[in-house]
Amino acid sequence: SYVLTQPPSVSVAPGKTARITCGGNNIGSKSVHWYQQKPGQAPVLVIYYDSDRPSGIPERFSGSNSGNTATLTISRVEAGDEADYYCQVWDSSSDPHVVFGGGTKLTVL
Amino acid sequence: QVQLVQSGSELKKPGASVKVSCKASGYTFTSYAMNWVRQAPGQGLEWMGWINTNTGNPTYAQGFTGRFVFSLDTSVSTAYLQISSLKAEDTAVYYCARGGGVVVPAAYLCDYWGQGTLVTVSS
Repeated sequence: SYVLTQPPSVSVAPGKTARITCGGNNIGSKSVHWYQQKPGQAPVLVIYYDSDRPSGIPERFSGSNSGNTATLTISRVEAGDEADYYCQVWDSSSDPHVVFGGGTKLTVL
Repeated sequence: QVQLVQSGSELKKPGASVKVSCKASGYTFTSYAMNWVRQAPGQGLEWMGWINTNTGNPTYAQGFTGRFVFSLDTSVSTAYLQISSLKAEDTAVYYCARGGGVVVPAAYLCDYWGQGTLVTVSS
C-alpha cells in the first residue's frame, strides 16, 4: 500500500510559521487533503486538492505539493491551532485506495 | 448546514455485534458518498472504505472485509456500519465522513465528519 510519512511533532512559537510535511513516493502527482483534529473532536478538513481552502478556514492555512513532499503551512500561528494534523491521498493502484499519514502533533509554545 | 449525527457510545462483549448509525441532514443524501474511518485509542486515522449512496455499492479497504458491513437507509438519510464477531482490537472511535461527491476520486474527500462513535469491546 502507499505510505505517507509525517513528522510526529512540530513545535512553533505564537505568531510564527509552522510547516508540516507529508512525504510519499511521487506525491506531487497525487491530490493531497489535510485535516485538523483537536483533542476529543472529529477531524476538520482544512486544505483540499493540495491548496484549496474550505469556506471558514482562515487564509493563514495554505498547502503545496511537489515532488515527494506535500506541505501544510500555517502562518501567524495561534494557540488555537494546536492540534493533530493528518494528510490524506488516494491511490487507485493501492489497497486501501485512501491513505492517511500518521499525523503530526502541532504544539504552540 | 451539513450535519452528520452518529449514534452513541457502545460497550460490547467479544463475539457480539454492533451497528453504528450516521444520520445526515442539510444536503441531498444520495449525491455524496459516505466514508467510514477508524481511530484506535491514541492512534491515527484509518480509512475503512466507502459506500456509494446512489447505488448502495460498498467498497471495503484491506483489513475491513468479512466482519464489516456498510449499509444505507436512504428514506431516512442514514448510513450504517455493522461490525460482527467483535474483538478487543475493534475498540476505537468510528467516524462517518461525507465524500466530496458520489464518484471517485471526489468521493474520497472527507469534507464533513460525524462526531464519532466510541465502540468498546471488553469482557
